[in-house]
Amino acid sequence: DTGVSQNPRHKITKRGQNVTFRCDPISEHNRLYWYRQTLGQGPEFLTYFQNEAQLEKSRLLSDRFSAERPKGSFSTLEIQRTEQGDSAMYLCASSLDLTGSSPLHFGNGTRLTVT
Amino acid sequence: AQTVTQSQPEMSVQEAETVTLSCTYDTSESDYYLFWYKQPPSRQMILVIRQEAYKQQNATENRFSVNFQKAAKSFSLKISDSQLGDAAMYFCAFAFGNEKLTFGTGTRLTIIP
Repeated sequence: DTGVSQNPRHKITKRGQNVTFRCDPISEHNRLYWYRQTLGQGPEFLTYFQNEAQLEKSRLLSDRFSAERPKGSFSTLEIQRTEQGDSAMYLCASSLDLTGSSPLHFGNGTRLTVT
Repeated sequence: AQTVTQSQPEMSVQEAETVTLSCTYDTSESDYYLFWYKQPPSRQMILVIRQEAYKQQNATENRFSVNFQKAAKSFSLKISDSQLGDAAMYFCAFAFGNEKLTFGTGTRLTIIP
């Protein structure tokens, strides 16, 4: 169990640029989640996958955000035409079971700064 | 929609003392799960303790225990014998069925040596 891995750890980009983050979950976990966390706040749900299927996407999520999980393994989160308000920590988490009781295992996150 | 409220943005406790962090939630469901997660500075979030709503017995994990009051929709975390390593942001979280986890805004816990 090598844990959930996220890359890059930090990303600085200029407003209007596109960015892509990667998450490698724990290998046997079938669920993968993306959360966004701003300073002093709790993680805010963005989207989640069960295997390769994207089951839910937050209504708060702009159309500029897209996520994929090809073959049910790693996942990517892309933000197009970044805005300063996108600056945040993007957290990925994975879990094994299909029930809400299964604890989430988090990665270290990708900190995005949009200048 | 489920909501989770943590009314204490910051708390502090003397090392070796006991501290209780508060959490309330709102749901119309009867069967759900509650969690406390810990996020140390610049480190990843980890699970501290979990409670199933159908269980009347409060969960305990070593120095960490919860006071689950289902009727009051309250789920507080008690940390006994506080240690310097307990300093972190603590998030209360709720999940129903197989849906995603909903987090509160967190409580920053400081341990005073």
